[in-house]
Amino acid sequence: GAGVSQSPRYKVAKRGQDVALRCDPISGHVSLFWYQQALGQGPEFLTYFQNEAQLDKSGLPSDRFFAERPEGSVSTLKIQRTQQEDSAVYLCASSLGTGSYEQYFGPGTRLTVT
Amino acid sequence: ILNVEQSPQSLHVQEGDSTNFTCSFPSSNFYALHWYRWETAKSPEALFVMTLNGDEKKKGRISATLNTKEGYSYLYIKGSQPEDSATYLCAFYNTDKLIFGTGTRLQVFP
Repeated sequence: GAGVSQSPRYKVAKRGQDVALRCDPISGHVSLFWYQQALGQGPEFLTYFQNEAQLDKSGLPSDRFFAERPEGSVSTLKIQRTQQEDSAVYLCASSLGTGSYEQYFGPGTRLTVT
Repeated sequence: ILNVEQSPQSLHVQEGDSTNFTCSFPSSNFYALHWYRWETAKSPEALFVMTLNGDEKKKGRISATLNTKEGYSYLYIKGSQPEDSATYLCAFYNTDKLIFGTGTRLQVFP
């Protein structure tokens, strides 16, 4: 079956540009997560949705980062006025829901801000 | 602050060698520990989800053990092959989100 997909796979943005990263979770998965992996670090939690509700956004690094999942399926992570420190791999994961420990990851979007 | 640490940071071994990595995590409020294998440009692949103290899991040549009381897990690879080359991540499950270590980057030379 189809796994988690993300697009684009690679994105180069000039400093100050806005970007939008898309995540298509596994069909029927209730929970969706975004993580950020900077070079040399492990992935770090950004935000979490259960259906369309954003239950935790404590990991978003600034108010330039915004995520949505309006219909409880596809999610978009938007970064406004990108900065060099936003360069990272952005991973999306989905899971069946509360009580399910397993998270299934997409291949990530590698964002480079020049 | 919850901290997950992995060692070593990187490892270079010859084909056929056996190897192991360590993951240490908080020993309180434990729910689950995950091991993922991540090859460049691919999705992180779940290897194991471990929930019980003393758990031992095996998948082919890869196995893992868990000690929740002292807060560590070991991942073992027996008879490493070049296709085992990847970054191995462990992650501590905490109120729905995963807290990752920085990973162990394994390179297996033929």
